[in-house]
Amino acid sequence: DTGVSQNPRHKITKRGQNVTFRCDPISEHNRLYWYRQTLGQGPEFLTYFQNEAQLEKSRLLSDRFSAERPKGSFSTLEIQRTEQGDSAMYLCASSFLNTEAFFGQGTRLTVV
Amino acid sequence: GENVEQHPSTLSVQEGDSAVIKCTYSDSASNYFPWYKQELGKRPQLIIDIRSNVGEKKDQRIAVTLNKTAKHFSLHITETQPEDSAVYFCAASKNSGYALNFGKGTSLLVTP
Repeated sequence: DTGVSQNPRHKITKRGQNVTFRCDPISEHNRLYWYRQTLGQGPEFLTYFQNEAQLEKSRLLSDRFSAERPKGSFSTLEIQRTEQGDSAMYLCASSFLNTEAFFGQGTRLTVV
Repeated sequence: GENVEQHPSTLSVQEGDSAVIKCTYSDSASNYFPWYKQELGKRPQLIIDIRSNVGEKKDQRIAVTLNKTAKHFSLHITETQPEDSAVYFCAASKNSGYALNFGKGTSLLVTP
């Protein structure tokens, strides 16, 4: 599969623990986006990168959230001190400059 | 920021009928309007998009119209088939390649 790949697909964690998700974009894509989707809602934008530079962050991205794309290829999204409200599907997408964005299948986080 | 409203939230049609989903947006700077289809448990997939310099775009049974003055755009699916059943999301953005602001989605059910 040469599409956007996300790992893990599912993550169950206890409240207060830290979690990290990984996204591998389509290889030639230089833009990478993170979204969060809760049940019955549309995806909500969190942040995006062009190459390794983080160009925009939503106010939804509290200081417990951090995203990196160190070499301009894969990206990680870390959530520290998880809360039950963090339970959601975390979607990654990628695009080449101003072309359409392709989504990964997401990482479903459950905080218990 | 941009606010995208989408309706209806659910839509049920008979196979062969047409389905129309409508969205409004608030930011006059938005000029890229994609539509995504999301089947249960799967990633959102782009089905059609339109830019502000175009009023209408068609792709087989799917069409999108845009009224930039009124800040609304619509998805039209003709000759619906059961495999069209899914959740459809509209979105708005300054341009492709930037953060997408999604509507809350429309759950479309096509009954045979």
